[in-house]
Amino acid sequence: QLHLQESGPRLVKPLETLSLTCSVSAGSVSSGTYCWGWIRQPPGKGLEWIGTLYNNDITYYSPSLSSRVSISVDTSENQFSLRLTSVTAADTAVYYCARLELLGVTDGFDIWGQGAMVIVSS
Amino acid sequence: SSELTQDPAVSVALGQTVTITCQGDGLKDYFASWYQQKAGQAPVLVIYGRNNRPSGIPGRFSGSDSGNTASLTITGAQTEDEADYYCCSRDRLGSHWVFGGGTKLTVL
Repeated sequence: QLHLQESGPRLVKPLETLSLTCSVSAGSVSSGTYCWGWIRQPPGKGLEWIGTLYNNDITYYSPSLSSRVSISVDTSENQFSLRLTSVTAADTAVYYCARLELLGVTDGFDIWGQGAMVIVSS
Repeated sequence: SSELTQDPAVSVALGQTVTITCQGDGLKDYFASWYQQKAGQAPVLVIYGRNNRPSGIPGRFSGSDSGNTASLTITGAQTEDEADYYCCSRDRLGSHWVFGGGTKLTVL
C-alpha cells in the first residue's frame, strides 16, 4: 500500500520559513487519479486544511494562509513539499501530508502520513 | 459561508447507535468525508461520498446526507470507536476544503 512520510526541520524560528517534504513510497506522486494535500493540527485543536496540489500542477490554498504558503511537487524524487513563510507561534502544529482521491463531487483524504510536529520558537 | 459545524461532544452507551452531524453550505454541492482520529494518531478516513467505506473500515460505520447536513452513524458502538471525528468538504466553488471543528465521541 502507498505510504507517505513527512520530513523536515521540527524547530523553526519566528519569521523564518517552514519547509516540509512528503515522500511517497509504493506508489507514484504522478498518478493521474489522485491529488495531494497538506493539513495541520495545532496542539489540542482541530484539523485545518492548508492546500491541495492537483496533478496538472494547479494548487489551491486556504484563504487564511494563501499569502504565505506554497505547495510543489518533485516527480523525479516522488515527493511533494510545503513551504510556509514568516511563521509565528500560531503556526506550531502537527503537519500531515495526505493523498486525496477526487471523484467529481466525492472526495476523501484516504492515506495520511504519520505527521510531523513543528514548533515555532526562538 | 465555507464553515462546517459539528457538536463538540457526543456520548453513546456501549452497543448503542450514535449519529454525529455536520452542517455547512458546501454540503449542498459536495459530499462530506469523515475521519476518525484517536489520541496521538493520524486521522483515518472512515466514510466518503454518498456512503462509501474504505477497505478495512467496519460495516457499523455509515454516512448519509440531506440538504446542508451530513451525518455519520455508528450502529452498535464499540469501545474502540471512542475518538474524535471530523467532517470535511469543499466550499461551493469546489476549490477549497474545510474541516469541521470535530466531535469527541465517548463510549460509556
